[in-house]
Amino acid sequence: AQRVTQPEKLLSVFKGAPVELKCNYSYSGSPELFWYVQYSRQRLQLLLRHISRESIKGFTADLNKGETSFHLKKPFAQEEDSAMYYCALSGQSKSGAGSYQLTFGKGTKLSVIP
Amino acid sequence: NAGVTQTPKFRILKIGQSMTLQCTQDMNHNYMYWYRQDPGMGLKLIYYSVGAGITDKGEVPNGYNVSRSTTEDFPLRLELAAPSQTSVYFCASSYGGAWQPQHFGDGTRLSIL
Repeated sequence: AQRVTQPEKLLSVFKGAPVELKCNYSYSGSPELFWYVQYSRQRLQLLLRHISRESIKGFTADLNKGETSFHLKKPFAQEEDSAMYYCALSGQSKSGAGSYQLTFGKGTKLSVIP
Repeated sequence: NAGVTQTPKFRILKIGQSMTLQCTQDMNHNYMYWYRQDPGMGLKLIYYSVGAGITDKGEVPNGYNVSRSTTEDFPLRLELAAPSQTSVYFCASSYGGAWQPQHFGDGTRLSIL
């Protein structure tokens, strides 16, 4: 079974402070990991995925297979970063090879204090 | 491009009623998904489809049915609404599976009373 754990429901940081949103996963195979974000009154949208190894809006995330983690980091928080963040894992579904499903964590609400 | 469009945005049903949540996408994506999100929880997969005519169960399929007669449309049917189905429902689509990003609709907030 695949599982994604985001231990913090709410994270408050001051503007300019570093941000780290934690994500731990459980999966027996080789995972594909994502961070999705939902800004106020907007749709849930992809922020970044580990396979791309990219930095989006100053955020980065490194897959640590030893610790089974995929924490999201940003060195200096901005007010516009305030949003709901979801970590997600894409793994093989019960239907077998070629069928994948996305498992989401419960989400962390990031609040950046001016 | 509208992306993924869900209708209705809000609905209140009585126990035992039926309804269909509509989802359509204009990106020519093969994969489509239905999720539900209960308060304080992550999204859970109800059903998904890898192409027209092909559907499969996700994590929480009981009480729901789907069909995929065209690439664009993926309706979700509730046959006998129960209070446990009160939730926010999201439809999503992607070009492929696994590592391809999913594009989400705005969601449908459904209350069963």
